[in-house]
Amino acid sequence: AQSVTQLGSHVSVSEGALVLLRCNYSSSVPPYLFWYVQYPNQGLQLLLKYTSAATLVKGINGFEAEFKKSETSFHLTKPSAHMSDAAEYFCAVSAPHDYKLSFGAGTTVTVRA
Amino acid sequence: NAGVTQTPKFRVLKTGQSMTLLCAQDMNHEYMYWYRQDPGMGLRLIHYSVGEGTTAKGEVPDGYNVSRLKKQNFLLGLESAAPSQTSVYFCASSRGGYNEQFFGPGTRLTVL
Repeated sequence: AQSVTQLGSHVSVSEGALVLLRCNYSSSVPPYLFWYVQYPNQGLQLLLKYTSAATLVKGINGFEAEFKKSETSFHLTKPSAHMSDAAEYFCAVSAPHDYKLSFGAGTTVTVRA
Repeated sequence: NAGVTQTPKFRVLKTGQSMTLLCAQDMNHEYMYWYRQDPGMGLRLIHYSVGEGTTAKGEVPDGYNVSRLKKQNFLLGLESAAPSQTSVYFCASSRGGYNEQFFGPGTRLTVL
């Protein structure tokens, strides 16, 4: 079975500062990993995904994530936060050929001017 | 393309009432999913479908039923609503198992 733990339910950063959101996974097989973003009162939108190709994955809006098998982690980063990055972010995992996703509890990002 | 649409956007029910949530997608996706989102718990899978005429239980299926009579539609039913079913419900679809899931805008349901 696959599961995800997101460390920190709330993160507050200053505009222009580094955004770092932590995600650790548990999987019995090499996983597929995803980061989704949810803006207020909207559905989820895919930021990026890892499916066993390059370990450093670049996504939309300047976000990237690095798959580290030894640490079972898939942390999301953005070098410089923008006010528009204020949202809730979800890490999710699935096993290859398994069409079900398991989501973390989410991390809410607040950006201070 | 409208993508994934959900009807209705908001609904208030009394305990014991029934209702159906409709999800429609125009991307010709095989896979469709229903999730519920509760504070601090992320999204939990209720039921899913891997093709027209097929459905399967997810993580939290109790109290819900689903049907996939047409490829583009996936219906979620509550036969006898309970306050514990107060939540935001999201529908999603995908082309294949490890492909991106596309989400609808959600339905906010309150059961009094």
